[in-house]
Amino acid sequence: NAGVTQTPKFQVLKTGQSMTLQCAQDMNHEYMSWYRQDPGMGLRLIHYSVGAGITDQGEVPNGYNVSRSTTEDFPLRLLSAAPSQTSVYFCASSYEAGGLYTGELFFGEGSRLTVL
Amino acid sequence: EDKVVQSPLSLVVHEGDTVTLNCSYEVTNFRSLLWYKQEKKAPTFLFMLTSSGIEKKSGRLSSILDKKELFSILNITATQTGDSAVYLCAVSGGSNYKLTFGKGTLLTVNP
Repeated sequence: NAGVTQTPKFQVLKTGQSMTLQCAQDMNHEYMSWYRQDPGMGLRLIHYSVGAGITDQGEVPNGYNVSRSTTEDFPLRLLSAAPSQTSVYFCASSYEAGGLYTGELFFGEGSRLTVL
Repeated sequence: EDKVVQSPLSLVVHEGDTVTLNCSYEVTNFRSLLWYKQEKKAPTFLFMLTSSGIEKKSGRLSSILDKKELFSILNITATQTGDSAVYLCAVSGGSNYKLTFGKGTLLTVNP
């Protein structure tokens, strides 16, 4: 199993450009989420999904879009990049056990985005 | 708004020392508290705690939750240089699928 795969690992954008961060998992997990990590800020939730076709906003959703057309994929779109979106982005998946959400997140290796 | 506060923010110890990391929280409809370890890349799961007073243990690491006082501690005994990492605490509450993370404790273990 590859686990959670994110691409690209590094990206430099100019202000106003758009791009998509790809995330795929092969563990058949229902739950997927996107976090950003900034120095001194910890991990902050951008968007999450509880299953194919279902997405919701997290703590810092502005400037980002997501969709979940399949269980495996959960891409994150930056619509018009801004320097404030310079960050490390992590995709994560999670699962239920015994009908209960476990909260155990499996993270991708991260994508470092710089917006000039 | 859910809130997680970790202390200390950073800590430097020598190999063999025992450390205690703290996590306090405010959350609506608490469901669980989780600890993660982050070395150079992605965080990895350590523990999930849902009940007060029940210690979770894995090797030299252990953790316990106090739901009355709204905090958890993570203990690491006989520290090794490989324990050097950022330790993250997160809570799940309200909407079950949204974790709120603290800012982390940077632990440095010197030989």
